[in-house]
Formats: sequence, C-alpha cells, structure tokens
Amino acid sequence: GAGVSQSPSNKVTEKGKDVELRCDPISGHTALYWYRQRLGQGLEFLIYFQGNSAPDKSGLPSDRFSAERTGESVSTLTIQRTQQEDSAVYLCASSLTETSYEQYFGPGTRLTVT
Amino acid sequence: AQSVAQPEDQVNVAEGNPLTVKCTYSVSGNPYLFWYVQYPNRGLQFLLKYITGDNLVKGSYGFEAEFNKSQTSFHLKKPSALVSDSALYFCAVRDPTTGFQKLVFGTGTRLLVSP
Repeated sequence: GAGVSQSPSNKVTEKGKDVELRCDPISGHTALYWYRQRLGQGLEFLIYFQGNSAPDKSGLPSDRFSAERTGESVSTLTIQRTQQEDSAVYLCASSLTETSYEQYFGPGTRLTVT
Repeated sequence: AQSVAQPEDQVNVAEGNPLTVKCTYSVSGNPYLFWYVQYPNRGLQFLLKYITGDNLVKGSYGFEAEFNKSQTSFHLKKPSALVSDSALYFCAVRDPTTGFQKLVFGTGTRLLVSP
C-alpha cells in the first residue's frame, strides 16, 4: 500500500516568508508526528497528533511554528517569517495507533531559507 | 529526560566482515529501543525494535541488536556486511513511563561498507 507522502519534496524560500509543508499519513494511521533533521544532526521531535486529542506541541521551537491535522488525515506544518536556521529536512511519520511501536516515515521536505 | 548516544560518526567495514554500530541510552524507566536506517534521498526505514523479552532481537535485512540493561546499550550488528548496507543508521528510544509518544533519536552513524 501507499506509504507516508510529503510535499513539496524541496522548498526554497526567502527569509521572512511563510511556508507550508504537507504530510499525508498512511491510511488508517491515527498517530502522526513531525520531526526536523538539521544537516549532520539527529531528528528533533516537533509535534505529535493522536486522533482527536490535543496535540503534543512540546517540541515546537518557537511560536513561528504551528501545525494542524484534519481528523486522522492530512497534516500541515506552517513556519511563519522563516529564518535561515529553519533550513532543514522536515520529516513526517505515522503509526497505526498511539501505542504502536513502529513509526513509518515519509521522504521528507528539504527546506532551504535564503 | 531520555537521551541516546551514538559515539561513532562513521563506521567503516569491508564487505563480508561483521559490523557493529553502537548505541547507548538513558531513560528513567524501562526503554523501548529502535533502529532506523536512512538511505540517500529516502525517508527513515524501521529495522528492528526491543520492547520486552529476549535481549537479542532480529530485524530486517539480516540485522540484529542486543539489549544490555546493565550497560544501557543497544548495539546494532550484522554477521556479514553488504555494500548495499551503506547508509545512515539512527538509534532511538522511547520512555513509556513518561506517557510521551515521541521518539528521541541519536545523531546517527554513517556505515560505509567497502567492496
């Protein structure tokens, strides 16, 4: 079946502009996660959605970052007034339930802020 | 707070030789431990996990990992490396006692298998 998909695959934007990144989880997966991977570093947790529960936003680095999820479907990560330090690969993952152990990752969106 | 350390930025091994990629962790409770692999221009792929039970867990592509509670380690191993195993490997931990569902990842180890 289809895996996690993300769009766009690459995004180049000017400092100060807003960007929106999209994630389509695997159908039927109720849990969705966003991570950030800076060059040469591990993955940083950003935000977690589970069903209709309030999201866990504890990893969002600043109030310029926000995310939404429509039910158990698509999620969008929005970065307002982008800064050069926002340049990274943004990875989305989904899992069947919140207690499922494996997370399935999308290919990521490479964001470059010039 | 939970954390993961991967002490080696890169591991070099010749094809056919055994390989080990090291991982140590720190959590307050009993850990859930994972290994993921990242091939160039592709997302992370799940390799294996330890939740409970046997300390030696087997995963995809012939990889295995051994959970060692006393040493707080979860090293990834393979008896005979292939050139196609060359990739970036991430260890991750989840502390179920915190109620947090997020994974905490190490910084990754690049495995280079030479022909």
